[in-house]
Formats: sequence, C-alpha cells, structure tokens
Amino acid sequence: AQSVAQPEDQVNVAEGNPLTVKCTYSVSGNPYLFWYVQYPNRGLQFLLKYITGDNLVKGSYGFEAEFNKSQTSFHLKKPSALVSDSALYFCAVRDGATGGFKTIFGAGTRLFVKA
Amino acid sequence: EAQVTQNPRYLITVTGKKLTVTCSQNMNHEYMSWYRQDPGLGLRQIYYSMNVEVTDKGDVPEGYKVSRKEKRNFPLILESPSPNQTSLYFCASTPAGTSYNEQFFGPGTRLTVL
Repeated sequence: AQSVAQPEDQVNVAEGNPLTVKCTYSVSGNPYLFWYVQYPNRGLQFLLKYITGDNLVKGSYGFEAEFNKSQTSFHLKKPSALVSDSALYFCAVRDGATGGFKTIFGAGTRLFVKA
Repeated sequence: EAQVTQNPRYLITVTGKKLTVTCSQNMNHEYMSWYRQDPGLGLRQIYYSMNVEVTDKGDVPEGYKVSRKEKRNFPLILESPSPNQTSLYFCASTPAGTSYNEQFFGPGTRLTVL
C-alpha cells in the first residue's frame, strides 16, 4: 500500500537560510513523487515532481527536491528562504507500477520563514 | 485562463440539509477528483472520475455522492450532511495522458455543518 510521511508538523527558518522539508514514502512499484504548496485561502499549487532520472529535481520559485531511493525519501529544499515561502507544503506519491492516478498525500508541513 | 473553479467557496449549513458543491475545469482534463483536507490528516480522496460516466470511490466516500455527466463538471453531493463532514474540500483535475501528470486544484470550499 502507498503511504507518505512528513515527520515535521512545522519548520521554522530565518530568511536567507537554507530550508528543508522532509518526506518519506512507501510504494510497491516505482514512485512518482510530487510536492505541492498551499498558501492561505488558496488551493494547492504544483511545485515539482520526480518521475525518473536525475535524483535532483528543480521546480518553481527556486525549490528543488532530492530523491533518495535507498532512504525512500524526497526532501524539499531551497538554498535561501524567503518570508513569502511561508505556507503549507504537501508531499504526495503515486505508484508508477499501477499506471493509475490515485495519489496519497502526506499530512503537510507548515513552513514559517522569519524576517 | 486555465483553471478549476468551485462554488460555493464558503458554506454553513445544518445537519440533514442536502447540498451540492460544484466543480468545473476548462482544461479538457479526463481525470477529476474530490478531496477533503483536515488538520493533521492532509488530503484524503473522496471520489474520483476517469472520464464521463466513470466514477469510483476513494478512501473516504461515506456520506458523499458524485456524478460526471459532462467532462468539465464533477459535482460533489452531500445528501444528508453531518457535523463530521465539516471540512475544507478541494476539487482537482489531471490530464489522463500519463499517470505522472500533476493535478490542478480548485480554490477550495470550506463547509461547516451545524
């Protein structure tokens, strides 16, 4: 069965510092992994995804994520945080082996970037 | 503008009063889905649809109904709402070409059932 874990409810970081939001997953086949961001009173917006190939994936707004197959992780990173990055971040996974669209979301991690 | 729209955005109702939340997308996407978002639980899938007249249950379908009579619309129906259905609801759509396409989300509907 598919599952996603975001071990931190909240991450606090100072503006200008690097940030990491953690995600681990479990699927029986090859994973398709996604990060979405939710700003207050808005729907989720797609940030980036991993399908195959290079383990470092670059996405919108300067975010990137590193896929680690041995650790079954897909951590979201940004070299220099902005106050405007403060939002709720969701990791999600699909099982690529099934070819289906069922997506499992993590519980979300709230990022606070302090000026 | 490519988008997913939901109406209403906010709704306060009483137990047992039937309601419908509409969802419409203008991107000609085949796959549509409804989620509910609850604190600490993330998004949980309620129902999904692979195409017109093709729907199936997600992880938490109890108390909900859906229909897909047109490709662009995917309404969520609560026949007899209960307080445990108080939540934030999101509709999403995806082009069906490959299973690694990302989802496009609507702005959300905040429902309170008294």
